[in-house]
Amino acid sequence: GENVEQHPSTLSVQEGDSAVIKCTYSDSASNYFPWYKQELGKGPQLIIDIRSNVGEKKDQRIAVTLNKTAKHFSLHITETQPEDSAVYFCAASPSNQFYFGTGTSLTVIP
Amino acid sequence: DAGVIQSPRHEVTEMGQEVTLRCKPISGHNSLFWYRQTMMRGLELLIYFNNNVPIDDSGMPEDRFSAKMPNASFSTLKIQPSEPRDSAVYFCASSPGLRTEAFFGQGTRLTVV
Repeated sequence: GENVEQHPSTLSVQEGDSAVIKCTYSDSASNYFPWYKQELGKGPQLIIDIRSNVGEKKDQRIAVTLNKTAKHFSLHITETQPEDSAVYFCAASPSNQFYFGTGTSLTVIP
Repeated sequence: DAGVIQSPRHEVTEMGQEVTLRCKPISGHNSLFWYRQTMMRGLELLIYFNNNVPIDDSGMPEDRFSAKMPNASFSTLKIQPSEPRDSAVYFCASSPGLRTEAFFGQGTRLTVV
């Protein structure tokens, strides 16, 4: 099955700085890569996703890049704000299933 | 749409008791997933259904766990008998199609004492 690895497990940044979270996957059949944000006491919510026919996608302060050859994808958050503090999960989908990374706890220090 | 609805939000039960978790997916979604989240293992897929049919239950820990989807608007996850190591947050998610966004419910926090 698919194996998704995510780094770092924790990340602290100063407000206004950028944050980068990286994931790798193992199954070359994966072609859909969503990123989820989970706030305390809530379920994960999609923040951005990318498909394998695209190398980069941006939505305001959030961007995702995908390198299919190397089997890795990354989340970039610019101009971080305290409300960006949460746990972020990457996922890869080779079929109708989603395989999640282990999560990154992001803290934005005001 | 109200999103994916799970009940109860919190459940505390004694070891050995039967526990039933409930999920109402988003109307029109044909895929439904049950996940378990713990600090140690993160988000684990337990089982998923497509058009009410269980497709992959390889993530179900053992025979004590069972899941059903009698119709397109309702699913249950049952644990019988429950054990303390089953304590976790259980999420239900639904998706409108293949390789598209999964929408998560708020989760059920299960504590088995």
